[in-house]
Amino acid sequence: AAGVIQSPRHLIKEKRETATLKCYPIPRHDTVYWYQQGPGQDPQFLISFYEKMQSDKGSIPDRFSAQQFSDYHSELNMSSLELGDSALYFCASSLGTGDYGYTFGSGTRLTVV
Amino acid sequence: AQTVTQSQPEMSVQEAETVTLSCTYDTSESDYYLFWYKQPPSRQMILVIRQEAYKQQNATENRFSVNFQKAAKSFSLKISDSQLGDAAMYFCAYRRPNDYKLSFGAGTTVTVRA
Repeated sequence: AAGVIQSPRHLIKEKRETATLKCYPIPRHDTVYWYQQGPGQDPQFLISFYEKMQSDKGSIPDRFSAQQFSDYHSELNMSSLELGDSALYFCASSLGTGDYGYTFGSGTRLTVV
Repeated sequence: AQTVTQSQPEMSVQEAETVTLSCTYDTSESDYYLFWYKQPPSRQMILVIRQEAYKQQNATENRFSVNFQKAAKSFSLKISDSQLGDAAMYFCAYRRPNDYKLSFGAGTTVTVRA
């Protein structure tokens, strides 16, 4: 079965650079979520999109932006990267609000040096 | 304020035995959703089990079952006949109705001894 695809798996960037993470949801899933998981921490909700519109917003820095495209894939853009942005970034997808749970991707490990 | 509390940072269990992970949550809602997710060393977040608050019956998925105590706002996970592949971080998560985001607990690391 198709899963949530995230790219790249690993990314190394320098401080003040820009990074773009991509997420391809499960076919027919209309909602995409982004989470950030720091080392040894629980995932923190960043933002979600339903039918290409922002549906909820969490603790996402102003330096970050995201969108969901017409084919339902989503991109998380991070600018002016800081050392503290180093984390695992998960994308997940669901039908609607995910009453039956989300399906997560394998994550993108971002390291800022 | 933390919505979901997992008070056990680590748990160890002998292979083939049973381990129970605790989770409590804070809410004023009467209807909501609760989940347990597993994160093995591969980092993939895998849904283990879900519970709808308006259902009294405890959810069960093979060797995984929950003890849902709505009045006590408790949602513990029992892993029976533990296997080496069960070793992972387990996260309890809560979602309000008509909400999109999940609120996770801090996680419990489960170690399975051969």
